[in-house]
Amino acid sequence: QKEVEQNSGPLSVPEGAIASLNCTYSDRGSQSFFWYRQYSGKSPELIMFIYSNGDKEDGRFTAQLNKASQYVSLLIRDSQPSDSATYLCAVNFMNRDDKIIFGKGTRLHILP
Amino acid sequence: SQTIHQWPATLVQPVGSPLSLECTVEGTSNPNLYWYRQAAGRGLQLLFYSVGIGQISSEVPQNLSASRPQDRQFILSSKKLLLSDSGFYLCAWSVMGNTIYFGEGSWLTVV
Repeated sequence: QKEVEQNSGPLSVPEGAIASLNCTYSDRGSQSFFWYRQYSGKSPELIMFIYSNGDKEDGRFTAQLNKASQYVSLLIRDSQPSDSATYLCAVNFMNRDDKIIFGKGTRLHILP
Repeated sequence: SQTIHQWPATLVQPVGSPLSLECTVEGTSNPNLYWYRQAAGRGLQLLFYSVGIGQISSEVPQNLSASRPQDRQFILSSKKLLLSDSGFYLCAWSVMGNTIYFGEGSWLTVV
């Protein structure tokens, strides 16, 4: 199993709909989970992070954790064309000296 | 607030030439520093990380090297570039191994 796995996409979502992005991870001991957005040709920027103690909402973005199934999701409500980007999931790995491991990202395309 | 600067932003280098990419962080002390590479259509590959001056860990054996001469300065080097070294290089920092913040990135094309 890959350490952090994401569907590469592209995921196409109509404008105004909810975009749902998922990420699975292999280390049961992971405590911190991060979502980054990367526009083409630019560096990744942090959207939000959550810890193992619960979900988090920030504006149109909600990050949810399912520890039992070892996956974390990012929901984007009222999707806008400006949300079109690649979304990277990152997880800290306790069994890798607490390193943060990135997934390869999911390309999201919001259809106007 | 913390900022990270990375340069040069773009460069085109011939095969066999040397490389030096630099990165500095401001507004924080003793950060963890990282060099990542992102090749076309691929994910982020961690190349080096450093937890302190002179302390460098290499994740992938290759013809690249890194140095940390000062607390907030991180340098990526190569003596002889290969075509396969082309990519988008990202410097990043974190505190206590937590959230990672990226610099603007450097586009390297080896010709």
